[in-house]
Amino acid sequence: GEDVEQSLFLSVREGDSSVINCTYTDSSSTYLYWYKQEPGAGLQLLTYIFSNMDMKQDQRLTVLLNKKDKHLSLRIADTQTGDSAIYFCAINRAGNMLTFGGGTRLMVKP
Amino acid sequence: EAGVAQSPRYKIIEKRQSVAFWCNPISGHATLYWYQQILGQGPKLLIQFQNNGVVDDSQLPKDRFSAERLKGVDSTLKIQPAKLEDSAVYLCASSLGGRDEKLFFGSGTQLSVL
Repeated sequence: GEDVEQSLFLSVREGDSSVINCTYTDSSSTYLYWYKQEPGAGLQLLTYIFSNMDMKQDQRLTVLLNKKDKHLSLRIADTQTGDSAIYFCAINRAGNMLTFGGGTRLMVKP
Repeated sequence: EAGVAQSPRYKIIEKRQSVAFWCNPISGHATLYWYQQILGQGPKLLIQFQNNGVVDDSQLPKDRFSAERLKGVDSTLKIQPAKLEDSAVYLCASSLGGRDEKLFFGSGTQLSVL
């Protein structure tokens, strides 16, 4: 299977860290991605990680990958109100096609 | 660099009518995708093109949906006839086609079928 699961909703206070989690079933994926979608817009690629890596850091974003547990997370440090959006994890499969999770809506309270 | 362009931005039709969406990918991107995003869900791949050839259309409802990418650049997605359950945002994306497959998305066409 190629299911990708995410929790529906996360609420944090401005300045706190946010952690968005994702689990998947397809262990053959080579790349795993995080996309951000703001209201009325398309998806914007935030970051991605190669499957042989455990961690990738990019400014306020940290991606952690646990291949054994098939668990991917995105940590946003010092979360700002502008980070409020829906976050999708996605995995690639044969033919370089992406399967997306259902998205996690992040709400940042001032 | 110009992004992925899509039109129209919004479309409202009645069931059983026809509709077409247009996409212009980023220049030089060989791979083009059409995704369907139903409200509250993640995008679902409908069809993937590599240049002007179809790579995967296994989830395209071929009895009513069709897509083409003539000359390997612009693409159109058509629905004929539309059903109520086709109400969704139709997203076009493009990529260079490399192994790391970074997709760039357009803003989408929001379709409402009444």
